[in-house]
Amino acid sequence: QVHLVQSGAEVKKPGSSVKVSCKASGGTLSTSGITWIRQAPGQGLEWMGGIIPTSGSPNYAQKFLGRIVITADMSTNTAYMELTSLRSDDTAVFYCATLAAGGFLDFWGQGTLVTVSS
Amino acid sequence: DIQMTQSPSTLSASVGDRVNISCRASQSITTWLAWYQQRPGKAPKLLIYKASNLGSGVPSRFSGSGSGTDFTLSISGLHPDDFATYYCQQYQIYSPATFGQGTKLEVK
Repeated sequence: QVHLVQSGAEVKKPGSSVKVSCKASGGTLSTSGITWIRQAPGQGLEWMGGIIPTSGSPNYAQKFLGRIVITADMSTNTAYMELTSLRSDDTAVFYCATLAAGGFLDFWGQGTLVTVSS
Repeated sequence: DIQMTQSPSTLSASVGDRVNISCRASQSITTWLAWYQQRPGKAPKLLIYKASNLGSGVPSRFSGSGSGTDFTLSISGLHPDDFATYYCQQYQIYSPATFGQGTKLEVK
């Protein structure tokens, strides 16, 4: 059973960037992909993108292209999601989740609240 | 992108009831569908994958059915901790994953 622990809450200014980490234990990221999901306050779940480390290249949702970078460090079993040019409507909880064979999300991190405010 | 539509948006029920939540895809996804439960302030939890397969440790009162474009999550004998929000997700290969808008199951 994989356990994912995410970095802590952040408060950012509009126009800045945020980098959220997701450390896996009880399993390795190389054998499963990592996906990032956004949930704005009171809203539903939105897929942002993901990476399967053994395949190399991440893939991103169209709406985040140009603003998001997802990476994985196999030496520390940690994935990262960086979102740039932050706006107030980026205020949300960001989740990482492991990508099971086929594409469903079997284990989730606890979530990281990112607040974008001037 | 494939659009996922859940119904109803809100469902009122009582402990012990059986409830059904529907999810419709804008095109066929065969059985590439998952269901998740999210309690307030918590991360989502996998319930069902590939339309009808129970996730690890998920109680047998949860079941999933459907294929193509129409899917159902059923909960028989509601427990107090089942009152939560439920999301469907399609994961058709070569298509970005998308979620339904959620169904909030509340106490009647």
